[in-house]
Amino acid sequence: QQPVQSPQAVILREGEDAVINCSSSKALYSVHWYRQKHGEAPVFLMILLKGGEQKGHDKISASFNEKKQQSSLYLTASQLSYSGTYFCGTEFNDYKLSFGAGTTVTVRA
Amino acid sequence: DTAVSQTPKYLVTQMGNDKSIKCEQNLGHDTMYWYKQDSKKFLKIMFSYNNKELIINETVPNRFSPKSPDKAHLNLHINSLELGDSAVYFCASSHPGVREKLFFGSGTQLSVL
Repeated sequence: QQPVQSPQAVILREGEDAVINCSSSKALYSVHWYRQKHGEAPVFLMILLKGGEQKGHDKISASFNEKKQQSSLYLTASQLSYSGTYFCGTEFNDYKLSFGAGTTVTVRA
Repeated sequence: DTAVSQTPKYLVTQMGNDKSIKCEQNLGHDTMYWYKQDSKKFLKIMFSYNNKELIINETVPNRFSPKSPDKAHLNLHINSLELGDSAVYFCASSHPGVREKLFFGSGTQLSVL
């Protein structure tokens, strides 16, 4: 079952913040976040495992709320390089990773 | 050196043809995958191999046949191509286990005319 991401798209000015949500209808074991720039391969950002941890990658961080079965990705003080499509991948302890439809982030100067 | 390389980058072909996409990784990973990204950007897993053994085979038409000659290579052969097969196909690799990060190849844009 694929996770649901929201919003579908977001436009930011440099320095602004944004949150991308990833929700599942089933209990999650792990959540992965990847970023894909236009015409390129998805690139790994971080993995969060069951336990409600929070992780960071530069000024991009994420949280994982097991009870709510969701994860959120936080883009803080966005930079032009943050533009791209962000995918969450979820795993239900079955060793299969299912990706959401992606959230397109556009950061403008 | 490219970590995960796949060829060709672009593939334009007629309906009914048979084509192959090759993938190689030099990261020493045991696990390799094929993902399909459609025009709406959904990334869907197709197959996963661990040390040449097929471990995930999602609901994919049997016109698609993966082959792993060794753990560094995973090729995808597609028979009798259809219009709906048009997509970007990504190869990826990781250490064993889905809780390891995936390293993706640069993708193969397949266009079936």
